[in-house]
Amino acid sequence: SQQGEEDPQALSIQEGENATMNCSYKTSINNLQWYRQNSGRGLVHLILIRSNEREKHSGRLRVTLDTSKKSSSLLITASRAADTASYFCATPGRGSYKLIFGSGTRLLVRP
Amino acid sequence: DSGVTQTPKHLITATGQRVTLRCSPRSGDLSVYWYQQSLDQGLQFLIQYYNGEERAKGNILERFSAQQFPDLHSELNLSSLELGDSALYFCASSEGGFNVLTFGAGSRLTVL
Repeated sequence: SQQGEEDPQALSIQEGENATMNCSYKTSINNLQWYRQNSGRGLVHLILIRSNEREKHSGRLRVTLDTSKKSSSLLITASRAADTASYFCATPGRGSYKLIFGSGTRLLVRP
Repeated sequence: DSGVTQTPKHLITATGQRVTLRCSPRSGDLSVYWYQQSLDQGLQFLIQYYNGEERAKGNILERFSAQQFPDLHSELNLSSLELGDSALYFCASSEGGFNVLTFGAGSRLTVL
């Protein structure tokens, strides 16, 4: 079963625009991660935010975490065609020995 | 190259057959994870090993089994294959801690 659910399922924007993806999860967590997957390839870790952090930045990425609402958002600023990919949030499963991925957001950045 | 090696990259087989997928984790990583990704099911966690021992299990079918060997490489065995087993199978490894995963390129299994 999915722990996290991303919204929207698909997003199409123009190059240069910002892209925002949201993730909601069900149980208490100590951290949340975001990964990117280019079509048919392995996932790549983007950023990890801990439960005591509200916001984190990495280059053009900005992640927020609201533990009271059990939600996180990933903002990609000044998007590029190379950002076209699927983006997944991931949270630790029961016992923290497994990482459960959401259903993903498919982002298309049009040149 | 992520450092996680998966073989084979592609595999085509028939229903009822058995296949073995192999994974070598990134150097220094003790944990290995297996995931199945299909179009209708998303990325499903199958099983995790840490230093040779099973640590966590997901919705792994009884027809599937896995193990991690002393040299830390892992194998995922899929038997009595069905059409619905066609998917991308990913191996990932981590050194521990907050479970940041490094993924391999995947093995694409097609069951005809």
